[in-house]
Amino acid sequence: DSGVTQTPKHLITATGQRVTLRCSPRSGDLSVYWYQQSLDQGLQFLIQYYNGEERAKGNILERFSAQQFPDLHSELNLSSLELGDSALYFCASSERLAGGPDEQFFGPGTRLTVL
Amino acid sequence: AQTVTQSQPEMSVQEAETVTLSCTYDTSESDYYLFWYKQPPSRQMILVIRQEAYKQQNATENRFSVNFQKAAKSFSLKISDSQLGDAAMYFCAYRSARGGGSEKLVFGKGTKLTVNP
Repeated sequence: DSGVTQTPKHLITATGQRVTLRCSPRSGDLSVYWYQQSLDQGLQFLIQYYNGEERAKGNILERFSAQQFPDLHSELNLSSLELGDSALYFCASSERLAGGPDEQFFGPGTRLTVL
Repeated sequence: AQTVTQSQPEMSVQEAETVTLSCTYDTSESDYYLFWYKQPPSRQMILVIRQEAYKQQNATENRFSVNFQKAAKSFSLKISDSQLGDAAMYFCAYRSARGGGSEKLVFGKGTKLTVNP
């Protein structure tokens, strides 16, 4: 158990719908990362938040957005869902920004299926 | 942009034998970190081993060791005395040491390791 929690574990929805994925980082971790794992694209970085502020953006679609709240939990919002958005979405957290090989601890992921 | 390449989509090894998984990367940076992550069927991402680019000594964690060749931009993982529980997808990952929003992990496509009894 990494200490990072993600809900829900599984999500099945229809095209055009909107969903929210939730992540609670390890206690004390200020940085949260979102990654998408799909069969064709592999593991890709989406977005990073640090202490409530957006830190870095990767290959995140405009239909996707995220935020980190004062209690440090984060939510990833996916809207106008398409079949190709079906994937495993991971949240990871780490304590510090830089200064060492700060390990990113991964949550168990949310499996999203768009029908 | 940095890229990570794992040229072996699948590998197999006999239980108790040794196997080496390959990884190459491309970067113009001189300071960075490299990681191997394991993803078993449960889908959980588990850190296996890490290497700091400024350290010449290869990292070792029990049965897992790396061969880090900075000039060749190569970072292979050796698993000794393979066990059935080692069966998983293995991902090589790169992380810049630059900071300033560069903390993301860049992953390779993965190598599926099968351990035969």
